[in-house]
Amino acid sequence: GENVEQHPSTLSVQEGDSAVIKCTYSDSASNYFPWYKQELGKRPQLIIDIRSNVGEKKDQRIAVTLNKTAKHFSLHITETQPEDSAVYFCAASEGYQKVTFGTGTKLQVIP
Amino acid sequence: EAQVTQNPRYLITVTGKKLTVTCSQNMNHEYMSWYRQDPGLGLRQIYYSMNVEVTDKGDVPEGYKVSRKEKRNFPLILESPSPNQTSLYFCASSLWGRFTDTQYFGPGTRLTVL
Repeated sequence: GENVEQHPSTLSVQEGDSAVIKCTYSDSASNYFPWYKQELGKRPQLIIDIRSNVGEKKDQRIAVTLNKTAKHFSLHITETQPEDSAVYFCAASEGYQKVTFGTGTKLQVIP
Repeated sequence: EAQVTQNPRYLITVTGKKLTVTCSQNMNHEYMSWYRQDPGLGLRQIYYSMNVEVTDKGDVPEGYKVSRKEKRNFPLILESPSPNQTSLYFCASSLWGRFTDTQYFGPGTRLTVL
């Protein structure tokens, strides 16, 4: 089955700096890669996703890049703000139905 | 309001006592799924369903059962709970389970098995 590794497990950045979270996956058949944000005590919420036929996708301050050859994808958050503090999960799936998540990155943005 | 609901939100039980966690969505979604979340392990998929009467195993199905007798409901059944099933459980749904369909999560059920 699919295995998704996520790094780092914790990340502290100063407000205004950029944050990068990296994930690798094992199954070359995976073709959909969503990212979720989970604030303390709340449910995960989709923030951005990318399909395997796209190398990069951007939505305001967040962007995701995908390298299919190396089987890794990354989340980039620019101009971080305190409200970006949360746990972020990457995931990979083939056809979306069966989803494998990474173990999460706790991001702390220091004002 | 479009939403996914779960009940109960908190449950403390004892080993071996059968329990059901309900999940319901009011968005007419075809796809529903159950996850458990454990510290350091992230979210792991237990079961998913593409349609009524169609269910399939995720990564960690052992010790769990599900049923999908009607589109809006997808209950998670623990026939004989054990302490290693103590976890935070999330139900989720999306329109068809396609790439373009956003997956909506329920509020979570925190289960403790003593």
